[in-house]
Amino acid sequence: DAGVIQSPRHEVTEMGQEVTLRCKPISGHNSLFWYRQTMMRGLELLIYFNNNVPIDDSGMPEDRFSAKMPNASFSTLKIQPSEPRDSAVYFCASSRENMNTEAFFGQGTRLTVV
Amino acid sequence: AQSVTQLDSQVPVFEEAPVELRCNYSSSVSVYLFWYVQYPNQGLQLLLKYLSGSTLVESINGFEAEFNKSQTSFHLRKPSVHISDTAEYFCAVIPLDTGRRALTFGSGTRLQVQP
Repeated sequence: DAGVIQSPRHEVTEMGQEVTLRCKPISGHNSLFWYRQTMMRGLELLIYFNNNVPIDDSGMPEDRFSAKMPNASFSTLKIQPSEPRDSAVYFCASSRENMNTEAFFGQGTRLTVV
Repeated sequence: AQSVTQLDSQVPVFEEAPVELRCNYSSSVSVYLFWYVQYPNQGLQLLLKYLSGSTLVESINGFEAEFNKSQTSFHLRKPSVHISDTAEYFCAVIPLDTGRRALTFGSGTRLQVQP
């Protein structure tokens, strides 16, 4: 398996623009997680899905952020409109049903909002 | 709710020296414990995990961690580090019996191995 695939790897956009980050989880995994990593706040959980259903979105910063999982093999994280403080590395991870199995992380998308 | 504390943000060490990266957690329920490693410009990879049984767990590359319930700690150790161990290390927990599957991470410790 190719692992968790995220695209794009790097994104530079202007403030106010819409940004869409994409994630393809590992086949057979039914939990998917979006994390944000910054120097100031470390790794924060934004949202996670189980069987394509959002379970906990309490980490989503504000209404400018939205996430979808239309099927088991694809998820998006959208920021509209983007702001400079959204600059971070965004990671997607996936895991199987059982809690004692590890979460596999993608390579991340480095977002820079100027 | 759970929280994870990694007191050392950076740990410089010379090659072949021993190292300990500290991790303490707080939780009202029992937890599974994990250490993840992040090499520069990469995602996180699982290093080792404690689920149950023996409190000492080992990784394939010589790291070990010991779960201490009374101290609520899960410190990571390696008796002799290599240059290639330079990375950021994250301690994380998942609570048992809540159905919650998402990891809660500590702030990370940057291990810098010097020749």
